[in-house]
Amino acid sequence: EPEVTQTPSHQVTQMGQEVILRCVPISNHLYFYWYRQILGQKVEFLVSFYNNEISEKSEIFDDQFSVERPDGSNFTLKIRSTKLEDSAMYFCATVSGKAFFGQGTRLTVV
Amino acid sequence: GIQVEQSPPDLILQEGANSTLRCNFSDSVNNLQWFHQNPWGQLINLFYIPSGTKQNGRLSATTVATERYSLLYISSSQTTDSGVYFCAAVNFGNEKLTFGTGTRLTIIP
Repeated sequence: EPEVTQTPSHQVTQMGQEVILRCVPISNHLYFYWYRQILGQKVEFLVSFYNNEISEKSEIFDDQFSVERPDGSNFTLKIRSTKLEDSAMYFCATVSGKAFFGQGTRLTVV
Repeated sequence: GIQVEQSPPDLILQEGANSTLRCNFSDSVNNLQWFHQNPWGQLINLFYIPSGTKQNGRLSATTVATERYSLLYISSSQTTDSGVYFCAAVNFGNEKLTFGTGTRLTIIP
């Protein structure tokens, strides 16, 4: 079965620093997503990306966040000036009918 | 937006028992998907099931779209079935998933 790959698997960062989470989506899928899961809570939608632009974003996805597809294969989520409450598991997903999730990046802000 | 509710929130069973997990959604959806989140946090897609019934080994799922619910059945539970089960409803148009709050399943040997 095709896979979505995320790096890094874990990241610890100081509050106020910038982090970039990376994803290699399934190549022939058109819709890309980032989701977030705070420990013990449900999975929340952050942003969807279609045809190289944001198609929808949640209220969580404020000016602190940005996404891009820098080279036609990778898909990145940048979080500027991280806060303690940004600590969570971040998932990349692609959809072609069925949704495929990466293994997640566990971000810890200290 | 769509509201998705799951029940029960927690379920503890002996190995070998059967279980039924329920997912209710508030509005018409394009499709419904079930996921298992394993102890390492990975989300494994179990079923893509807009309507009807599908089976995969000991697991099966049924979605009744007209009545806005879906059921996940696990038969002859094994300890490896433990984890959190999420359903997610998919909007028309942008394929965005709205997740339920999950059912935490614990299978005791």
